[in-house]
Amino acid sequence: QVQLQESGPGLVKPSQTLSLTCTVSGGSVTSAGDYWSWIRQPAGKGLEWIGRVYTSGTTHYNPSLKSRLSISLDTSKNQVSLKLSSVTAADTAVYYCARELEIWGQGILVTVSS
Amino acid sequence: QTVVTQEPSLTVSPGETLTLTCASSTGAVTSAYYPNWFQQKPGQAPRPLIYSTSNKHSWTPARFSGSLLGDKAALTLSGVQPEDEADYYCLLYYDGAWVFGGGTKLTVL
Repeated sequence: QVQLQESGPGLVKPSQTLSLTCTVSGGSVTSAGDYWSWIRQPAGKGLEWIGRVYTSGTTHYNPSLKSRLSISLDTSKNQVSLKLSSVTAADTAVYYCARELEIWGQGILVTVSS
Repeated sequence: QTVVTQEPSLTVSPGETLTLTCASSTGAVTSAYYPNWFQQKPGQAPRPLIYSTSNKHSWTPARFSGSLLGDKAALTLSGVQPEDEADYYCLLYYDGAWVFGGGTKLTVL
């Protein structure tokens, strides 16, 4: 059974780059046809779709984040990565990774603060 | 900017049937928007319930069903249970990108 685990710094300074990793176990990030998504949720607020990457490497991003965002696969480590640059307090949220919106990680809280 | 609208909150009594809706600022929601529905309880990750309008995951209780209702996507709970108290989110597909609705907070009293 596929399981996902997000990891990365819990605290990021404003203007820096937020980098998260989603480690996949019980399956491969290169499984044909799959895609991997990132979703976030500020405390007490709703869900926001961040973007996704297909096993082919094709990406789709939330237009509001596109200029700061990069999502990619690390096939050697069976991981999905998220990089969000020039962060502000508004990027403080729980970040989730998901396989095709069906299987979700438990999420990781990232706080942007100096 | 595309906006997906859900009822902010609903209250229901156990055993009742309830329908949550999901509207798009671009117009009528069709199957081409591949409506998804998620349930989220406090402190937990969202749990997928419905995908592609009406398809259930293997873990989705039978009392949950998805459909198109008029110009909206809909999630119907038939015979609400106390454990159904949660936040519910719809998700619609727009030309490569997904957009979540603001969520519906369901209270079971």
